[in-house]
Amino acid sequence: SAVISQKPSRDICQRGTSLTIQCQVDSQVTMMFWYRQQPGQSLTLIATANQGSEATYESGFVIDKFPISRPNLTFSTLTVSNMSPEDSSIYLCSVEEALVKETQYFGPGTRLLVL
Amino acid sequence: AQSVTQPDIHITVSEGASLELRCNYSYGATPYLFWYVQSPGQGLQLLLKYFSGDTLVQGIKGFEAEFKRSQSSFNLRKPSVHWSDAAEYFCAATYGGATNKLIFGTGTLLAVQP
Repeated sequence: SAVISQKPSRDICQRGTSLTIQCQVDSQVTMMFWYRQQPGQSLTLIATANQGSEATYESGFVIDKFPISRPNLTFSTLTVSNMSPEDSSIYLCSVEEALVKETQYFGPGTRLLVL
Repeated sequence: AQSVTQPDIHITVSEGASLELRCNYSYGATPYLFWYVQSPGQGLQLLLKYFSGDTLVQGIKGFEAEFKRSQSSFNLRKPSVHWSDAAEYFCAATYGGATNKLIFGTGTLLAVQP
């Protein structure tokens, strides 16, 4: 499966600031996704990152708060904007490969603490 | 709404004992089903998946899962647990559609006693 890396692996941020998380894949993939895992909780899909067009957001998530870019088939960013302590979570990207359809592989995650 | 349920929040087993983690999916069209494992401080690793065909699927690390349509279940099993299996286990499903959205259960935290 594809090797997925995320930067940063963890960060501590002040409220009101923004953080951009990068997701890099070592091969071209068809689909890229961003999930949030709040403390002690399961994973929730934030959005599907579409290459060359606007991301598709799930209910409860908006572009102003979580702008996403996907300039090519191997890279995507998620920005957490105007952060509050409630944004403290693990943010994970996942990918679906062309040769292994319907199966998502996850990156190591970015652990964010907002003070 | 489509959902995945993991009834057990926390399970403790002795090393060497057998393990079964329960997962139920919401009734309706059969989804694609997955089990992922998350070790402390790590991302999610895919253990196994079921799309169709043989209802008993084998995965990595000695895990297997059985799909039972009549019970809407996809339980994960391992005959002999190792201390390194201590982690959180997530059952997940996709119900198709344009986004291939994964719906996760709430997870089961497995502790392994020596």
